[in-house]
Amino acid sequence: GEDVEQSLFLSVREGDSSVINCTYTDSSSTYLYWYKQEPGAGLQLLTYIFSNMDMKQDQRLTVLLNKKDKHLSLRIADTQTGDSAIYFCAESGPNQAGTALIFGKGTTLSVSS
Amino acid sequence: DVKVTQSSRYLVKRTGEKVFLECVQDMDHENMFWYRQDPGLGLRLIYFSYDVKMKEKGDIPEGYSVSREKKERFSLILESASTNQTSMYLCASKKLPSYEQYFGPGTRLTVT
Repeated sequence: GEDVEQSLFLSVREGDSSVINCTYTDSSSTYLYWYKQEPGAGLQLLTYIFSNMDMKQDQRLTVLLNKKDKHLSLRIADTQTGDSAIYFCAESGPNQAGTALIFGKGTTLSVSS
Repeated sequence: DVKVTQSSRYLVKRTGEKVFLECVQDMDHENMFWYRQDPGLGLRLIYFSYDVKMKEKGDIPEGYSVSREKKERFSLILESASTNQTSMYLCASKKLPSYEQYFGPGTRLTVT
């Protein structure tokens, strides 16, 4: 079945890099996403990567995709206290654009100053 | 900017009450979704809708129903609220053929 796995917690110091990891099971997923949820808020799309790419960089964010191992990571450079949030990995699943994304359980990132 | 709004941020209801959660999007999106979010369980899909008057069960539809009479509005109905439905409810929408979902701010429902 489809499943997306993430570690539940990550704690880093301000200024360090954070790396949040995710594994997924559906190799036919077309897109993979990272969403951010700040306390008391809905989910906000951070970035996404198309399945035929290995890497995508967007300012402080770097997404790495290893299709062979079905492993996705999100690296946040120079982590700030404002980056403290829950980060969700999601996959699009089979190529049906009308269906829902499949989300991981979320990784809570705690940034200390 | 896409805007997805939910009728309430916080709601407190009694066991057995009928509860309506409303979601509205202003970008003519065909697809709309209802999730619940619980600590340690992540997001679980309750129902989704392909288009007006069309709905599909998600992973946990028991105890819920939905209504989509207009394209911009997707309602989640708890026919008889129970304490185990205390949760954060998130609505999302997306436009075909994109996969990207846009989320509302969430409704935190407490059933006592």
